[in-house]
Amino acid sequence: EPEVTQTPSHQVTQMGQEVILRCVPISNHLYFYWYRQILGQKVEFLVSFYNNEISEKSEIFDDQFSVERPDGSNFTLKIRSTKLEDSAMYFCASSRLAYNEQFFGPGTRLTVL
Amino acid sequence: AQTVTQSQPEMSVQEAETVTLSCTYDTSESDYYLFWYKQPPSRQMILVIRQEAYKQQNATENRFSVNFQKAAKSFSLKISDSQLGDAAMYFCAPRTSGTYKYIFGTGTRLKVLA
Repeated sequence: EPEVTQTPSHQVTQMGQEVILRCVPISNHLYFYWYRQILGQKVEFLVSFYNNEISEKSEIFDDQFSVERPDGSNFTLKIRSTKLEDSAMYFCASSRLAYNEQFFGPGTRLTVL
Repeated sequence: AQTVTQSQPEMSVQEAETVTLSCTYDTSESDYYLFWYKQPPSRQMILVIRQEAYKQQNATENRFSVNFQKAAKSFSLKISDSQLGDAAMYFCAPRTSGTYKYIFGTGTRLKVLA
């Protein structure tokens, strides 16, 4: 069964460094999403992406964040200058159509020191 | 939906018994979708069941069913014949039509006792 995959599973970085989190959505899906979950807190929506454009974003998704689909398979989340509070589990998700259920990847744990 | 409340941080159920996880939400929209996701210790969220708000009939998926009370804005998940593999964190996640994002509840950790 097709799955969303994410790399790396764990990323450790120094505050102020740039990180890129990578996701490979399910191949025939058209909509892509990033969520994050700070330890012990709710899963929070960051951004949705369709047709090479951001279709919706939350207030968390400020200028430090960007998303890209650099080729036909990858979907990336870049954090330009990481802060301690960016430490969280980041989940990528994809859906075939806008109102279909979203399929989640296993997550990347980001630790900012 | 702006807020989602899962009032049970943790629940336990004996294997083969039935358990109900509660979820209430707050929305002014009439058109929305409701989802329950399961997050096992491996941490990948898996869809358990979905319900369209316009449907009066409660969704059922094998041992999983929902009790959807639209007027009360309640969307509980019933797990029948609980199995050890059902042990996980369960999240209620509404999504209103016209938006792409899920609004997640805080989750209920379900323990299944052998």
